[in-house]
Amino acid sequence: SQQGEEDPQALSIQEGENATMNCSYKTSINNLQWYRQNSGRGLVHLILIRSNEREKHSGRLRVTLDTSKKSSSLLITASRAADTASYFCAPQGSGYSTLTFGKGTMLLVSP
Amino acid sequence: DAMVIQNPRYQVTQFGKPVTLSCSQTLNHNVMYWYQQKSSQAPKLLFHYYDKDFNNEADTPDNFQSRRPNTSFCFLDIRSPGLGDAAMYLCATSRDEGGTGETQYFGPGTRLLVL
Repeated sequence: SQQGEEDPQALSIQEGENATMNCSYKTSINNLQWYRQNSGRGLVHLILIRSNEREKHSGRLRVTLDTSKKSSSLLITASRAADTASYFCAPQGSGYSTLTFGKGTMLLVSP
Repeated sequence: DAMVIQNPRYQVTQFGKPVTLSCSQTLNHNVMYWYQQKSSQAPKLLFHYYDKDFNNEADTPDNFQSRRPNTSFCFLDIRSPGLGDAAMYLCATSRDEGGTGETQYFGPGTRLLVL
């Protein structure tokens, strides 16, 4: 398995603003997943994008994938205080592969 | 609702005293995972089961062991907890093994405190 590296490490915005966080990885992937973790809780799967996809939407979430740059971004539009959490990316290679999480991006959305 | 359940949510143990953390799932998934997460760090995979097949990560200390008596339950045993083992322990499941894009479903975690 390979590890994604999220950037920035921390992000602080106001409610209603958009939040963008990025993920870079090192080797070719089959898919890339994003997870959210609220403080003191387990991770929740947000979205999966496959290597042959360039963009995917889910509600207020927009994920892009650029396999040539080995990077992905997660955009949260019109942020809410409830979006305050840590966000992790998990790139996944082909075949059998467990997930390796990076340190995540800690997002703080202030009212 | 189908889910991943971890008990207890908080566990206090003494240095060197064996402790067992529990995880159960109603999703009927083939794969169950145990992660350790220390404060402000990434969840670190300790081991996982694909059905009854046990897969240990290379850097998981021998102090950590696991049992999966049936599809629904998986246990994490810490034989002699040290202060450095204080962490959040997360259990997760997936329908199958990864690569094809298997979502993992996480429990709420058990926070272990070692005194």
